[in-house]
Amino acid sequence: EAQVTQNPRYLITVTGKKLTVTCSQNMNHEYMSWYRQDPGLGLRQIYYSMNVEVTDKGDVPEGYKVSRKEKRNFPLILESPSPNQTSLYFCASRVMAQSGDTQYFGPGTRLTVL
Amino acid sequence: AQKITQTQPGMFVQEKEAVTLDCTYDTSDQSYGLFWYKQPSSGEMIFLIYQGSYDEQNATEGRYSLNFQKARKSANLVISASQLGDSAMYFCAMREGRGVNRDDKIIFGKGTRLHILP
Repeated sequence: EAQVTQNPRYLITVTGKKLTVTCSQNMNHEYMSWYRQDPGLGLRQIYYSMNVEVTDKGDVPEGYKVSRKEKRNFPLILESPSPNQTSLYFCASRVMAQSGDTQYFGPGTRLTVL
Repeated sequence: AQKITQTQPGMFVQEKEAVTLDCTYDTSDQSYGLFWYKQPSSGEMIFLIYQGSYDEQNATEGRYSLNFQKARKSANLVISASQLGDSAMYFCAMREGRGVNRDDKIIFGKGTRLHILP
């Protein structure tokens, strides 16, 4: 089954404690990205990656890091989380096909930073 | 200025009626793509429909269709014969550029919350 998986699905942590949210896709997509969703703001892109070892900043990259060492994985790293990073996070992978452009989302990770 | 505008924060519609969710966009690119996503209360993001700027016909997927009016820069989602399970948040999104380089960002609107009444 084609899918994007994220772990953990829920996380409560404290300010300053480094954390990693993993993301993996089994569709061999080159393009992957991370979004955060906050009430009233919709989804905002944090980072994206066009291929292995190629990453770039989205609209709200401050406080986040990513890596793309292999095609299927795109972890999101918060080196020193702060309460303003409490949010719902989505990983997505994307493909351009004859039928159009489609982005598949993971199930989301709800992060609370105390 | 917002790139994607969804003017209806919330809507209430009777079951079985058709629904139109508004979306206007702003871009100077000739080539772009428009998307609609559904987010039920469970939180996942579900892809519904895609329209390329050069597509001459409006996109359709089952009960979903995209009313694409290029000159007006609008890409409204139409849901025919609404069902209780259609109650969700709906997001319009746009990709500027051809997408060939795959570095084209996708920008989301703030969403419309749709409530289907029995």
